Amino acid sequence: AQKVTQAQTEISVVEKEDVTLDCVYETRDTTYYLFWYKQPPSGELVFLIRRNSFDEQNEISGRYSWNFQKSTSSFNFTITASQVVDSAVYFCAPISSGSARQLTFGSGTQLTVLP
Amino acid sequence: DAGVIQSPRHEVTEMGQEVTLRCKPISGHNSLFWYRQTMMRGLELLIYFNNNVPIDDSGMPEDRFSAKMPNASFSTLKIQPSEPRDSAVYFCASSSQPEGNYEQYFGPGTRLTVT
Repeated sequence: AQKVTQAQTEISVVEKEDVTLDCVYETRDTTYYLFWYKQPPSGELVFLIRRNSFDEQNEISGRYSWNFQKSTSSFNFTITASQVVDSAVYFCAPISSGSARQLTFGSGTQLTVLP
Repeated sequence: DAGVIQSPRHEVTEMGQEVTLRCKPISGHNSLFWYRQTMMRGLELLIYFNNNVPIDDSGMPEDRFSAKMPNASFSTLKIQPSEPRDSAVYFCASSSQPEGNYEQYFGPGTRLTVT
């Protein structure tokens, strides 16, 4: 079974600040995938990014970047130059690459970006 | 291409009534997932199907819940009889496994209120 810890329950930043959302996971699988999802106030769940466990190269995509450290089981997500529209709940979720292909969601981090 | 479609978007019913939630996955996706989101328990996986076959229903709370997937383009989640504690947002998600990269795409959700 997998477990996810998102220690930050709520974060508030002022527009244009950078913000990093932390995620620590536990898994017994040797290969797996990690995801970040966003849930804006409208309620839908939006897929943001995916990372494979065998590729620790960190990447940047627009204002989003992520830092995957397999040695510490962390998968942190950074938004650069935050905008009010980034206000949402962000969920980290690992998934096994085995037969049990279920997303295990963390409790989420509520991000509020103030104008 | 249309995303995951769920109906109804909102459902209000009285305790004891039968409730049926519907989902149409993204065309070509072979896996379908039903989740429930509540403030107390967060996002929980209820059941998932692969190629129309239920793979894991260990998340289904009790016998009052049942899910079917009669074909690749339709699934239902039924609650009979409904209880106030079933009030939640129910999400359907689909993905392409194993050909895809396991990311799940979510529908807009059905907000169920049982009075």
